[in-house]
Amino acid sequence: QVTLRESGPALVKPTQTLTLTCTFSGFSLSTSGMCVSWIRQPPGKALEWLARIDWDDDKYYSTSLETRLTISKDTSKNQVVLTVTNMDPADTATYYCAREFAGLTAFDIWGQGTMVTVSS
Amino acid sequence: DIQMTQSPSSLSASVGDRVTITCRASQNIRSYLNWYQQKSGKAPKLLIYVASSLQSGVPSRFSGSGSGTDFTLTISSLQPEDFATYYCQQSYSTPRTFGRGTKLEIK
Repeated sequence: QVTLRESGPALVKPTQTLTLTCTFSGFSLSTSGMCVSWIRQPPGKALEWLARIDWDDDKYYSTSLETRLTISKDTSKNQVVLTVTNMDPADTATYYCAREFAGLTAFDIWGQGTMVTVSS
Repeated sequence: DIQMTQSPSSLSASVGDRVTITCRASQNIRSYLNWYQQKSGKAPKLLIYVASSLQSGVPSRFSGSGSGTDFTLTISSLQPEDFATYYCQQSYSTPRTFGRGTKLEIK
């Protein structure tokens, strides 16, 4: 069974750096074609893709946020980490991680999401 | 970035109705178009991938069609559990992009 679970702080202050961890099971990120993305959703708004890391360590970022995002993986721990610098109240959202693999080219399995509020 | 435009943004329908949601890409994305269903407070769920392939476990009343820039999601006979928000998403290139969603409400 494939599962993903997001973890991180529920509350961060403006200008702080957010670090989120996606812990997954049921697949390996060292398998060719496997990828994990981060996607967020502000309250009442649409989904926004943020970043992706591939099995071969290729990394891709949102055009509008790429200067603030860093994605990395720890294959031995089955974890993907996303950092977002200089957090702003506009970054308040539920943050999801999701699996994508080459055979499907879609986000087939999602984590439950973690809500992050940016407030002083 | 490829822009995804969904219409309508909201839709009221009754149980048993046939419903169609459209999605337009700002450039040719071949068949790299996916559809998701999201219920309130839950993560999105994949329904259709590469425009017309039904994800395992998804009821056959859901279908997708289209290629190039114009795509549709059709629900042949609405069931009570289908009232949700639906998103399209392109997987032709990175950055991945989503439509703004279509909220399907009970009439």
